[in-house]
Amino acid sequence: DGGITQSPKYLFRKEGQNVTLSCEQNLNHDAMYWYRQDPGQGLRLIYYSQIVNDFQKGDIAEGYSVSREKKESFPLTVTSAQKNPTAFYLCASSIWADKQETQYFGPGTRLLVL
Amino acid sequence: AQSVAQPEDQVNVAEGNPLTVKCTYSVSGNPYLFWYVQYPNRGLQFLLKYITGDNLVKGSYGFEAEFNKSQTSFHLKKPSALVSDSALYFCAVRDSGANNLFFGTGTRLTVIP
Repeated sequence: DGGITQSPKYLFRKEGQNVTLSCEQNLNHDAMYWYRQDPGQGLRLIYYSQIVNDFQKGDIAEGYSVSREKKESFPLTVTSAQKNPTAFYLCASSIWADKQETQYFGPGTRLLVL
Repeated sequence: AQSVAQPEDQVNVAEGNPLTVKCTYSVSGNPYLFWYVQYPNRGLQFLLKYITGDNLVKGSYGFEAEFNKSQTSFHLKKPSALVSDSALYFCAVRDSGANNLFFGTGTRLTVIP
């Protein structure tokens, strides 16, 4: 898991509540990503950011929001508009090497709905 | 468009035997291919990648993968499986013209003692 931390490890959400998942990296990576993992579906990209103060929607951005005010931090907010938020959320950051980018992942946050 | 397929949800192999986890891909440009491993309730760990050059790529923990352009495959292999290799394995691809990785659905490897 290297220098990428995610907190909390487990998070419980009540109906209609917004919750924020933390992702921090000390690897000096420019790009950061949020994925959602559901059983049997692999990883799906929610949002990504290639530089501070800029981010792009991934394949399943509806019901989520992000910010990238600092290079080290890329928090993900799961809003009340996300009707099925129960999943394992993975943050990644990346660096370019060998003319290509390699993503490295944090330990994940498991979100459960009460 | 890019896509990746892992045709086997589950692979069982006896300890000490060789293992193969299959991956096929589809891209419009040149493929950049990756393998990751995930242990229970953990993030993904990078194993190896193919960018260009030698078709046989060696990675962490004794794993290797062979890029086969004609078969559009990138199968993960290890000559002698360990019980500790039991985990969920993901293949991922990036098209040379795309920004992001696209992941397969994963293959659960179980090594039987």
